[in-house]
Amino acid sequence: EDKVVQSPLSLVVHEGDTVTLNCSYEVTNFRSLLWYKQEKKAPTFLFMLTSSGIEKKSGRLSSILDKKELFSILNITATQTGDSAVYLCAHPGAQKLVFGQGTRLTINP
Amino acid sequence: KAGVTQTPRYLIKTRGQQVTLSCSPISGHRSVSWYQQTPGQGLQFLFEYFSETQRNKGNFPGRFSGRQFSNSRSEMNVSTLELGDSALYLCASSPREPYGYTFGSGTRLTVV
Repeated sequence: EDKVVQSPLSLVVHEGDTVTLNCSYEVTNFRSLLWYKQEKKAPTFLFMLTSSGIEKKSGRLSSILDKKELFSILNITATQTGDSAVYLCAHPGAQKLVFGQGTRLTINP
Repeated sequence: KAGVTQTPRYLIKTRGQQVTLSCSPISGHRSVSWYQQTPGQGLQFLFEYFSETQRNKGNFPGRFSGRQFSNSRSEMNVSTLELGDSALYLCASSPREPYGYTFGSGTRLTVV
């Protein structure tokens, strides 16, 4: 059964800090790895990493995929209070997403 | 374009009752999947529908069921509610899996 594990589960930092969120996976048929941000209710899509697209960047957020070591990281630089959220990593299996437990990130002013 | 719409947004039910939740996908999306989110278990897959057919089902008891209509709208039903069913229920639609999942804002179900 596909498995996705995120760490840490919770992280508290000060505004302006840089954070790194981790996601490791064990899946039978790798397709891609997805990152979502969940602030209140609806997870919103951040990045999709695939075998042909192992690095993505959008503003202060960036993510890389290591297919050999089976993990991905999400970096956020110069954090802002608006970055406070739960960050979810997921693998799209057969007709479903398998999620990690999520990392709850809190940015203190 | 309109996003994924879930109704109702909040529900309070009593143990033993049943509940029906609704999800309207993005226009043109034919795949609708449902997830249960709790603090202890995180996001867990319930089931997925495509063109009115259930293609995959998660490890939930038979009290959890769903269906999809010809216009791709989907409903999920939980019968004989238990306290442990209290959760945020999220629906996601996709034009084709495994890409392009968009989530609705969810229905917060509280069982008392």
